Amino acid sequence: GENVEQHPSTLSVQEGDSAVIKCTYSDSASNYFPWYKQELGKRPQLIIDIRSNVGEKKDQRIAVTLNKTAKHFSLHITETQPEDSAVYFCAASPDAGNMLTFGGGTRLMVKP
Amino acid sequence: NAGVTQTPKFRVLKTGQSMTLLCAQDMNHEYMYWYRQDPGMGLRLIHYSVGEGTTAKGEVPDGYNVSRLKKQNFLLGLESAAPSQTSVYFCAIKSHSSSYEQYFGPGTRLTVT
Repeated sequence: GENVEQHPSTLSVQEGDSAVIKCTYSDSASNYFPWYKQELGKRPQLIIDIRSNVGEKKDQRIAVTLNKTAKHFSLHITETQPEDSAVYFCAASPDAGNMLTFGGGTRLMVKP
Repeated sequence: NAGVTQTPKFRVLKTGQSMTLLCAQDMNHEYMYWYRQDPGMGLRLIHYSVGEGTTAKGEVPDGYNVSRLKKQNFLLGLESAAPSQTSVYFCAIKSHSSSYEQYFGPGTRLTVT
């Protein structure tokens, strides 16, 4: 089955700096890669996703890049704000979002 | 996400007791999922359903059963709870086979003593 590794497990940045979270996956058949943000005690919320036919996708301050050859994808957050503080999860799916395998999560702390 | 609800929000069980968690949606979505999230970890898929009357095993199905008798409801059952099943359980929904995004319910925090 699919295995997703996520790094780092914790990330502390100063407000206004950029944050980068990286994930690797094992199944070359995976074709969908979402990113979720989870605040303490809340449900995971989809913030951005990318499909395997695209190398990069951007939505305001967040972007995701995908390298299919190396089997890794990354989340980039620019101009971080305190409200970006949360746990971020990457995931991968080989069948159009049906069977999601999640990474272990990254706790992002943005210091004012 | 207001269209996905989970009942109950919290529950404490003793080892060996049984219970059923309910996920209900009013969005007419075909696909429904049950995940568990252990402290400090990512979500793991327990079971899922691609439509009314169907169920399938996920990554960690042992100790759980599910049913999807009605399209809007997906039930997760624990027949004999164990402390290892202490977790937060999330339900998720997906519109249909051509849509990709999964949206999560608010979660049920279960403690087994």
